[in-house]
Amino acid sequence: DVKVTQSSRYLVKRTGEKVFLECVQDMDHENMFWYRQDPGLGLRLIYFSYDVKMKEKGDIPEGYSVSREKKERFSLILESASTNQTSMYLCASSFPGQKNIQYFGAGTRLSVL
Amino acid sequence: KQEVTQIPAALSVPEGENLVLNCSFTDSAIYNLQWFRQDPGKGLTSLLLIQSSQREQTSGRLNASLDKSSGRSTLYIAASQPGDSATYLCAVSGKLIFGQGTTLQVKP
Repeated sequence: DVKVTQSSRYLVKRTGEKVFLECVQDMDHENMFWYRQDPGLGLRLIYFSYDVKMKEKGDIPEGYSVSREKKERFSLILESASTNQTSMYLCASSFPGQKNIQYFGAGTRLSVL
Repeated sequence: KQEVTQIPAALSVPEGENLVLNCSFTDSAIYNLQWFRQDPGKGLTSLLLIQSSQREQTSGRLNASLDKSSGRSTLYIAASQPGDSATYLCAVSGKLIFGQGTTLQVKP
């Protein structure tokens, strides 16, 4: 079974803190994705990566950066957390190609106070 | 710009009913369409994936159909059970674009 693991289920941070959200997958997938999910707005793509050290902006990259130093790990970084970044963050991975299933992690619920 | 809409936003049915969830999309140039299930506070679980060349996919009590020309997909759940209670999301790709989901409650 594909496993996508997000390091934290719940996280509480202060405004201005630097926040790291970690995601690891064990299926040797080339593609990895970060989404955020908000009531009334659904899931929105923040960043994605199709290979090590490669990254592409999604629909809402402002205020975020990413790091992909190893194939299995994709990190989402909030350089200076703000209250409007309080959200559910979901990581996903897939094989290359747009026809393939994305597998999701359990999510990290981040609260920025 | 692709937009995905799911109607209804919420649905409550008695156990045992057959039901249909709807998903519509504005741009028919898609590679595939996926249906996901999300339990409260959890991540997404892929239920069915229909490639653009296919008309339907079945898994157990679930059947998903795709009509690209009309920009519609349906998820049919047969003989619903309380354990089916969750939010169901559809998404179309290229880049996955999600609908807002239908929250289903199946009452015992």
